[in-house]
Amino acid sequence: DAGVTQSPTHLIKTRGQQVTLRCSPKSGHDTVSWYQQALGQGPQFIFQYYEEEERQRGNFPDRFSGHQFPNYSSELNVNALLLGDSALYLCASSLSVVSGGNEQFFGPGTRLTVL
Amino acid sequence: DAKTTQPPSMDCAEGRAANLPCNHSTISGNEYVYWYRQIHSQGPQYIIHGLKNNETNEMASLIITEDRKSSTLILPHATLRDTAVYYCIVKLRGSARQLTFGSGTQLTVLP
Repeated sequence: DAGVTQSPTHLIKTRGQQVTLRCSPKSGHDTVSWYQQALGQGPQFIFQYYEEEERQRGNFPDRFSGHQFPNYSSELNVNALLLGDSALYLCASSLSVVSGGNEQFFGPGTRLTVL
Repeated sequence: DAKTTQPPSMDCAEGRAANLPCNHSTISGNEYVYWYRQIHSQGPQYIIHGLKNNETNEMASLIITEDRKSSTLILPHATLRDTAVYYCIVKLRGSARQLTFGSGTQLTVLP
């Protein structure tokens, strides 16, 4: 049973560029959440997708956007990259509340470096 | 969601029990206590959760005080692979709720 997968594992971009990160949820999961983890800090919630819609959003600017596809996979897009966007980006999947979901399962993350 | 307080770091000898405390004095009646851990450069891993009764699974035990204002995660026989940052999180049950991570406790298991 494949767990949560993310691609790419590492990425280097320059300031002002745009980046797209991808996530495939654990088999059977329909909800995907994205987190940003700066070095030495705990993960910070960006947003959550369910039924192809953004359901919750953390305190992140509009430069951060996402998408969920009919197969439940998801993308995180970041525009106009800043040096401060350098972080580990984590995807977590879960079953929706209506499906009896509870705990979230995390992928290995994508390490983004902005130069 | 209620905030939690954890010691920044702890050491434990290999083979001994590791007891990780968490303070959540503002927890409300319908909030659960969740524990996750994060081994260096990996994604967080779910360990256990509970409401008010003690819980045990194959990874750990969770002891919640009667007033629910604090809890302890117990790793009964710590190994070197248990070295990680451990996060105590309080939230309402259900995956719709985001996880709010604090700074966690860096547990180092010593040989």
